[in-house]
Amino acid sequence: DTAVSQTPKYLVTQMGNDKSIKCEQNLGHDTMYWYKQDSKKFLKIMFSYNNKELIINETVPNRFSPKSPDKAHLNLHINSLELGDSAVYFCASSSSGGTGYTFGSGTRLTVV
Amino acid sequence: SQQGEEDPQALSIQEGENATMNCSYKTSINNLQWYRQNSGRGLVHLILIRSNEREKHSGRLRVTLDTSKKSSSLLITASRAADTASYFCATDDAAGNKLTFGGGTRVLVKP
Repeated sequence: DTAVSQTPKYLVTQMGNDKSIKCEQNLGHDTMYWYKQDSKKFLKIMFSYNNKELIINETVPNRFSPKSPDKAHLNLHINSLELGDSAVYFCASSSSGGTGYTFGSGTRLTVV
Repeated sequence: SQQGEEDPQALSIQEGENATMNCSYKTSINNLQWYRQNSGRGLVHLILIRSNEREKHSGRLRVTLDTSKKSSSLLITASRAADTASYFCATDDAAGNKLTFGGGTRVLVKP
């Protein structure tokens, strides 16, 4: 029944590793997003996809690569992880027409 | 950079009191939204107010929007301990492509 689900919930990994976070929504929304929340709780958009097409890439290092196999899924792959990548990553979705976003519960990434 | 700036950054009140927080933003908007985030959880959408609206209510929540001052306020009436959370304002830009969030107000409601 979860509207926006992302996995894993926690991810602890070493510097230099490559990792992926998966996100799926069952709301029939046409737009999906990745947001990063830092330790001071600031939320910043990273990417948005509309119907599998990249709409926003907000000056994110190209070590981060989103992939949207269909409009219900938006995954985030991160290469060569750095300490500064430690944060909580949120997936969200919305429908056109200016309604609110539905957020997943977040993936807490810790790079050691 | 953050579009919205929230004030205060933190607020501590007794159960039953009202909580008011403010948000200021810089550019033209399509709409402004408020979200709640409980500790360790995702954000939950509370209310959306469009740029041509001035006030909106939802249960114990009241939101105002003043586009001439580029500011909004969220009032939670008769607060409960369960209202303890961080509250974020977010603006949907004119292109409607993304939400830009403020820094949030941490609200503590003491029983």
